[in-house]
Amino acid sequence: RKEVEQDPGPFNVPEGATVAFNCTYSNSASQSFFWYRQDCRKEPKLLMSVYSSGNEDGRFTAQLNRASQYISLLIRDSKLSDSATYLCVVSGGATNKLIFGTGTLLAVQP
Amino acid sequence: DAGVTQSPTHLIKTRGQHVTLRCSPISGHKSVSWYQQVLGQGPQFIFQYYEKEERGRGNFPDRFSARQFPNYSSELNVNALLLGDSALYLCASSRTVSGANVLTFGAGSRLTVL
Repeated sequence: RKEVEQDPGPFNVPEGATVAFNCTYSNSASQSFFWYRQDCRKEPKLLMSVYSSGNEDGRFTAQLNRASQYISLLIRDSKLSDSATYLCVVSGGATNKLIFGTGTLLAVQP
Repeated sequence: DAGVTQSPTHLIKTRGQHVTLRCSPISGHKSVSWYQQVLGQGPQFIFQYYEKEERGRGNFPDRFSARQFPNYSSELNVNALLLGDSALYLCASSRTVSGANVLTFGAGSRLTVL
């Protein structure tokens, strides 16, 4: 079983749609959780950290369910510029070594 | 301020050759990590260095090695290249190795092994 699992997609949605990505992780000792965004042939960039209480940044909302070991990302009012691969990322213990999912590809259509 | 810089950006090697990839962290960052990203997959952890000492190693063969210099820059070396080593190699830096420190990635070195 992979340490971090995501639906690879692709998710093809029209502009303005709401889309949700889900992710599960296997190590219950994991302590930090993130969503990274990666554009085609570019490096991953931090989109947002994910907190137990849930957090929102503009059109983006992230949630964490520790009991179910489940992380989600909701994107409202999708823009063409949101088209990218979204990587679910977990780090555990005392270090910031990151464990990445395979990524979910989002394509927002005009 | 300059971000994480990596060189070379692209390179082509043949099987059996050796490659050295270089990384300069963000000024003030003392930790450097290396990740391998094969096409269609998420990045996989290779090494983490902090204050010139190895702090973590991923599940990679001994053909992969790295080091960190007194100025906190780092090199990743891969010997006896295989076709499967073709990937984007990403370097990331942070102030420390604490879980509270977010990693910032460089643009990567894209290696093609023929």
